[in-house]
Amino acid sequence: DAGVIQSPRHEVTEMGQEVTLRCKPISGHDYLFWYRQTMMRGLELLIYFNNNVPIDDSGMPEDRFSAKMPNASFSTLKIQPSEPRDSAVYFCASSFGLARQETQYFGPGTRLLVL
Amino acid sequence: KQEVTQIPAALSVPEGENLVLNCSFTDSAIYNLQWFRQDPGKGLTSLLLIQSSQREQTSGRLNASLDKSSGRSTLYIAASQPGDSATYLCAVRNSGNTPLVFGKGTRLSVIA
Repeated sequence: DAGVIQSPRHEVTEMGQEVTLRCKPISGHDYLFWYRQTMMRGLELLIYFNNNVPIDDSGMPEDRFSAKMPNASFSTLKIQPSEPRDSAVYFCASSFGLARQETQYFGPGTRLLVL
Repeated sequence: KQEVTQIPAALSVPEGENLVLNCSFTDSAIYNLQWFRQDPGKGLTSLLLIQSSQREQTSGRLNASLDKSSGRSTLYIAASQPGDSATYLCAVRNSGNTPLVFGKGTRLSVIA
């Protein structure tokens, strides 16, 4: 398996633009997580899905953020409109089960810069 | 609300030294604890997972211990190498159906 795949790897955009981040989890995994990492706040969980259904989105900072998982092999995180404070690295992770011995597998991240 | 703290934020040691990274958590009623490694520009890779009933886990030169009652875990790295340079993150899970809560990490530099 290729692991968790994220695209794009880097994104530079201007304030006010819409940004869409994409994730393909590991095949067979039933949990998918979106995280945001900054120097100030560390790694924050934004939202996670189980079997394509959002379970907890309490970490989503504002209504400008939305996430979808239309099928088991694809998820998007959208920011509209984007702001400079959204600049961060966004990680997607997947796992088989939530509390099993198996851990979460992280993608390489998308580095977002909003000017 | 569970909070995870890692001290120090950064550490620099000469090659060959044994070292300890620290992790503390505010709610001792955890389900399990994991240590991750993050290389610059990369995602996280799991190193060790300790269930709440365990006291330690070992993998090669790495040993992680867990003291639930005091809300602490340590990651011991023996005979450090320049390739160990990375950021090490600690994460805890409060129950069987809750996600991980991460610390901010310790950035380790091993100098040759």
